[in-house]
Amino acid sequence: DQQVKQNSPSLSVQEGRISILNCDYTNSMFDYFLWYKKYPAEGPTFLISISSIKDKNEDGRFTVFLNKSAKHLSLHIVPSQPGDSAVYFCAAIQRGYSGGGADGLTFGKGTHLIIQP
Amino acid sequence: DVKVTQSSRYLVKRTGEKVFLECVQDMDHENMFWYRQDPGLGLRLIYFSYDVKMKEKGDIPEGYSVSREKKERFSLILESASTNQTSMYLCASSLFEGTQYFGPGTRLLVL
Repeated sequence: DQQVKQNSPSLSVQEGRISILNCDYTNSMFDYFLWYKKYPAEGPTFLISISSIKDKNEDGRFTVFLNKSAKHLSLHIVPSQPGDSAVYFCAAIQRGYSGGGADGLTFGKGTHLIIQP
Repeated sequence: DVKVTQSSRYLVKRTGEKVFLECVQDMDHENMFWYRQDPGLGLRLIYFSYDVKMKEKGDIPEGYSVSREKKERFSLILESASTNQTSMYLCASSLFEGTQYFGPGTRLLVL
């Protein structure tokens, strides 16, 4: 069962406009959420995160919104730039699950964002 | 800046070979992870480690083993490579639970 879902495999947005990438999760125990950006043949790069005690976190052009009741988060990129064209992964974790040790992130399948000039 | 390096960017191996993928991080992170990325499947956790000599199975550990003899180094071992292990392998590390930092990836082709 997929616990983190990104239902749009791809998204095309015009340069300068807002890009909105969506992510849904089913595990209500997740308490920390992250967005990663990935270019082909490279490792994912951390973009922004949000704790479940917040509903918004902003960093420059990137803002993540969390709606816990709907188990939904979104990443807004404003304004979109050509260099933003990449695959974006949503990820989630339940911190403290492993009794103080680490745990892996649960990733969505990714959304390929294409910024049109 | 966190630096996570992986020993090879591209690797070609034959079915049945033993394959070692090495990962090194320079930020004194306790936690290290191995994922594989496949088209349409996202990133899936193979194994992780929260301390030297400690390891935990992830979601898809079958056909893999790991070794963590030193804090900065985490190795993924394919005991007998098979064609369904052709994939992009990504190593990550983290200090606390949450934000993980990834290496550049190793693209493995098993013939």
